[in-house]
Amino acid sequence: AQSVTQPDIHITVSEGASLELRCNYSYGATPYLFWYVQSPGQGLQLLLKYFSGDTLVQGIKGFEAEFKRSQSSFNLRKPSVHWSDAAEYFCAVGAGGGNKLTFGTGTQLKVEL
Amino acid sequence: GAVVSQHPSWVICKSGTSVKIECRSLDFQATTMFWYRQFPKQSLMLMATSNEGSKATYEQGVEKDKFLINHASLTLSTLTVTSAHPEDSSFYICSASGKLAGGSDTQYFGPGTRLTVL
Repeated sequence: AQSVTQPDIHITVSEGASLELRCNYSYGATPYLFWYVQSPGQGLQLLLKYFSGDTLVQGIKGFEAEFKRSQSSFNLRKPSVHWSDAAEYFCAVGAGGGNKLTFGTGTQLKVEL
Repeated sequence: GAVVSQHPSWVICKSGTSVKIECRSLDFQATTMFWYRQFPKQSLMLMATSNEGSKATYEQGVEKDKFLINHASLTLSTLTVTSAHPEDSSFYICSASGKLAGGSDTQYFGPGTRLTVL
């Protein structure tokens, strides 16, 4: 069975500081990995995805993530956080983009001005 | 591109009534749509997978007679909560699987529907 673990429920960073959100997955085959962001009362917006190839993927809003097979991780990073980045972030894994996804429990990001 | 809409965005209904939620892919065709449920401050839980022209596949523990799903066209799926009760109050989110030009299959999410059952 596939599963996703996001160890950090809440993270607070200062505006301008760097950010790393952790994601570990369990999957029997080559995983398709995603990061989504959700603002309060809104749906999910895709930040980036990894299917194959270069293990460092670039996304929207200045986010990037690195796939590390040996660590079963897909951590999300941003070099300089903006106050508008405050939101809930979900990591997800699936058999493909068109297949059902399993989500982590999410990490709530708070940005201090 | 890749816009998914949901209607209504919020609905309040009385206990025992039925509520229909629509999910539309506006600028692409989606053979597969997914319905998720999200409780406050929790993750998304997949309820069912909806394939155009066939019966939906429900996840374990989801009552298919209570949550009726219809995927009548490549751009529209509906979720009907029948005989709604207060415990059905939740945030329902749909997603549509699509492949944009030059891209790979990706799920695009709707903005969600807040259901409150009184």
